[in-house]
Amino acid sequence: ILNVEQSPQSLHVQEGDSTNFTCSFPSSNFYALHWYRWETAKSPEALFVMTLNGDEKKKGRISATLNTKEGYSYLYIKGSQPEDSATYLCALSYNTDKLIFGTGTRLQVFP
Amino acid sequence: GAGVSQTPSNKVTEKGKYVELRCDPISGHTALYWYRQSLGQGPEFLIYFQGTGAADDSGLPNDRFFAVRPEGSVSTLKIQRTERGDSAVYLCASSPAGGSYNEQFFGPGTRLTVL
Repeated sequence: ILNVEQSPQSLHVQEGDSTNFTCSFPSSNFYALHWYRWETAKSPEALFVMTLNGDEKKKGRISATLNTKEGYSYLYIKGSQPEDSATYLCALSYNTDKLIFGTGTRLQVFP
Repeated sequence: GAGVSQTPSNKVTEKGKYVELRCDPISGHTALYWYRQSLGQGPEFLIYFQGTGAADDSGLPNDRFFAVRPEGSVSTLKIQRTERGDSAVYLCASSPAGGSYNEQFFGPGTRLTVL
């Protein structure tokens, strides 16, 4: 059974703080890692798809890194804003099309 | 452009009833996926279509669950003899061509509650 773990489960930060969370996964037969942001009552929105060891991707104040050899990815948010409040999901694909999700990190940013 | 849509957004039913959940993918996307998220869990894969055919149905929990995509566009997830444990958010996603590296575009989900 492939197990994708995310930590922490939840996080509360003040507006302006920077924060980061972790996704850990089995590294063998890795194909791609996907980060999604899921706001309440909306559709999960793709942030990044990462495939290469050492990959770093950035979108505005959000960035992510990938280490496929040791099986982890970090997601960073710089200068958190209340609109960043959401559940951040990590998902892995191995040699199939289906995504295997972690349980998510729920981020709440207080003004 | 229009994203993935799912109907209904909420469905409340009684134990033992039959339900159908509908997914309209992004136009032109050949790959379509169903996932479900139970309380406190991440989304779990149910089934994947490439065109009209189910390419991988290994996530369907039992034979009460069935999904179709007869014309390679709209898909319907069908659940017979619903049980309280079927209560979850059912998510649909589509992708231009499938593949492990391609982004999957999600709908807002259908929240199913079985009383």
